[in-house]
Amino acid sequence: AQSVAQPEDQVNVAEGNPLTVKCTYSVSGNPYLFWYVQYPNRGLQFLLKYITGDNLVKGSYGFEAEFNKSQTSFHLKKPSALVSDSALYFCAVRAPNNFNKFYFGSGTKLNVKP
Amino acid sequence: ETGVTQTPRHLVMGMTNKKSLKCEQHLGHNAMYWYKQSAKKPLELMFVYSLEERVENNSVPSRFSPECPNSSHLFLHLHTLQPEDSALYLCASSQDHQGTKTQYFGPGTRLLVL
Repeated sequence: AQSVAQPEDQVNVAEGNPLTVKCTYSVSGNPYLFWYVQYPNRGLQFLLKYITGDNLVKGSYGFEAEFNKSQTSFHLKKPSALVSDSALYFCAVRAPNNFNKFYFGSGTKLNVKP
Repeated sequence: ETGVTQTPRHLVMGMTNKKSLKCEQHLGHNAMYWYKQSAKKPLELMFVYSLEERVENNSVPSRFSPECPNSSHLFLHLHTLQPEDSALYLCASSQDHQGTKTQYFGPGTRLLVL
């Protein structure tokens, strides 16, 4: 069973509009959740993570994500998109009972148009 | 950006060749990872090393052979690869391999197997 799902291959948004990139997970217990961004020909860059505490996590470049345990979701959000936010975004989950299992979603391509 | 470096950045090899990918981290981390990124597929965790000991091998074919001579260097030795092994191979490191620690990625090696 897939542990992380990013249901949208691509998200299109106009510059200045809010954006949401969706992620749902399926691991038992309390997962550790991460978002990474990948620009063309580059490795993954860490954006933010949820370990415990406040469900709303703030990260780099104005991004934030909300952990929703009942919906097993960890959607990435930004109030106002920039053209430079256009990239590939990956959600990842680490199982709390097996740190060596680190699962990534298939990625969502974000296109921000001017 | 330069915390984790990978060489070469691009590699073309035949199925009978032997080559090695190199990863070096300058972050003082104790854990290192190899991932395979194929088009439109989730990142696949291949190997995890903690303090130079392999702690995870995710059913990777034996034609991929990792080596971790010290906590700063990680190699992936390749031999008799198949065309389906063509992918972007990403190296990452983290402070330790516990679940809460953020992984930092290198830029990747783009491998093409002919």
